[in-house]
Amino acid sequence: RKEVEQDPGPFNVPEGATVAFNCTYSNSASQSFFWYRQDCRKEPKLLMSVYSSGNEDGRFTAQLNRASQYISLLIRDSKLSDSATYLCVVRGVSGGYNKLIFGAGTRLAVHP
Amino acid sequence: DVKVTQSSRYLVKRTGEKVFLECVQDMDHENMFWYRQDPGLGLRLIYFSYDVKMKEKGDIPEGYSVSREKKERFSLILESASTNQTSMYLCASSLVKGYSNQPQHFGDGTRLSIL
Repeated sequence: RKEVEQDPGPFNVPEGATVAFNCTYSNSASQSFFWYRQDCRKEPKLLMSVYSSGNEDGRFTAQLNRASQYISLLIRDSKLSDSATYLCVVRGVSGGYNKLIFGAGTRLAVHP
Repeated sequence: DVKVTQSSRYLVKRTGEKVFLECVQDMDHENMFWYRQDPGLGLRLIYFSYDVKMKEKGDIPEGYSVSREKKERFSLILESASTNQTSMYLCASSLVKGYSNQPQHFGDGTRLSIL
């Protein structure tokens, strides 16, 4: 089983739609969670951190459910420019060092 | 703004060659990382370094080695390239030693093909 699992998509939605991505992680001891965004043929960039109480940044809302080991990202009022792959990222431990564990990503395509 | 520069965007090499991928960051970051990204598998950590001359194996170190002689430069070496090392390679850096609760800044990536 992968440490971080995401629905690969693609999610095809019209402009203005609300779309939600889910992610599950296997290590219950994981402490930190993030969403990264990766445009086609570009590098990943941090979109937002995910806090226990849930957090919002403009049209983006991230939530964490520790009991179910589940993270979500909600995008409201989708724009064409939101088209990208969204990577769920969890902080884990390897050999005594912290490291980030990346999901394979969920692809979003927003159309006119 | 943080700048992570990888030496090549596209590279084609032959099986058995020794391949060097270079990465330089300009923000005095302590931590540097090498990942490979393959469809359906996401980013997988190959090696990382939290200090000069320090290296640690990630999840898939086999067939790779690294060098960090200077703080700003982290090199990935394929000792004898094989076709299953064809992939997108991404270098990243982050600021504080050993602490990964902070954003990693990525380079543009090197798309490496081994023939």
